[in-house]
Amino acid sequence: GAVVSQHPSWVICKSGTSVKIECRSLDFQATTMFWYRQFPKQSLMLMATSNEGSKATYEQGVEKDKFLINHASLTLSTLTVTSAHPEDSSFYICSARESGRTEAFFGQGTRLTVV
Amino acid sequence: QQQVKQSPQSLIVQKGGISIINCAYENTAFDYFPWYQQFPGKGPALLIAIRPDVSEKKEGRFTISFNKSAKQFSLHIMDSQPGDSATYFCAASSMDTGRRALTFGSGTRLQVQP
Repeated sequence: GAVVSQHPSWVICKSGTSVKIECRSLDFQATTMFWYRQFPKQSLMLMATSNEGSKATYEQGVEKDKFLINHASLTLSTLTVTSAHPEDSSFYICSARESGRTEAFFGQGTRLTVV
Repeated sequence: QQQVKQSPQSLIVQKGGISIINCAYENTAFDYFPWYQQFPGKGPALLIAIRPDVSEKKEGRFTISFNKSAKQFSLHIMDSQPGDSATYFCAASSMDTGRRALTFGSGTRLQVQP
């Protein structure tokens, strides 16, 4: 149980285009989902928290207009990187937590490369 | 203070040895302390977690030791195997913001030599 599926695993896009990353909880209802960014050989940096049906809460320094987060259902959250630039290239990882539970489970991550 | 400090940055252990990774925190509101294992190109996987009402938790070869007064916790990997070679992150969370977002340590790259 507690499977979080993230898609795609990797994506290459041209500078100026937008990319959408999906995060799904397969066997539980995720009332809260988190989006992280990870640079090579570094720790995970929390970008934003989303609760189903409400606006995402962004961490300080994260541009909400560049990183659009939607949590439309209890099993799906999406992160859209808008007008991507090479500096947005990174490893993006989502995690999900079920209401009333403390454990957070992570997706497999998405490697974004902007060329 | 939300920071979680993790050490060492890297660790080399012989097969069969004990790997020990340490973390320290400042925020006394933290009430959940998980450890995650991450392989290159993959998302972190939850290994084991502890709450501050117990001093030790063991699951298989993995043990968390927790010292509430010192605000420190550590991961012990017994009988370390080459397959344990990965990056390990400690983390902590609380419900004081209502989100239970994880604060991660900086990570420890473990290499188990055969």
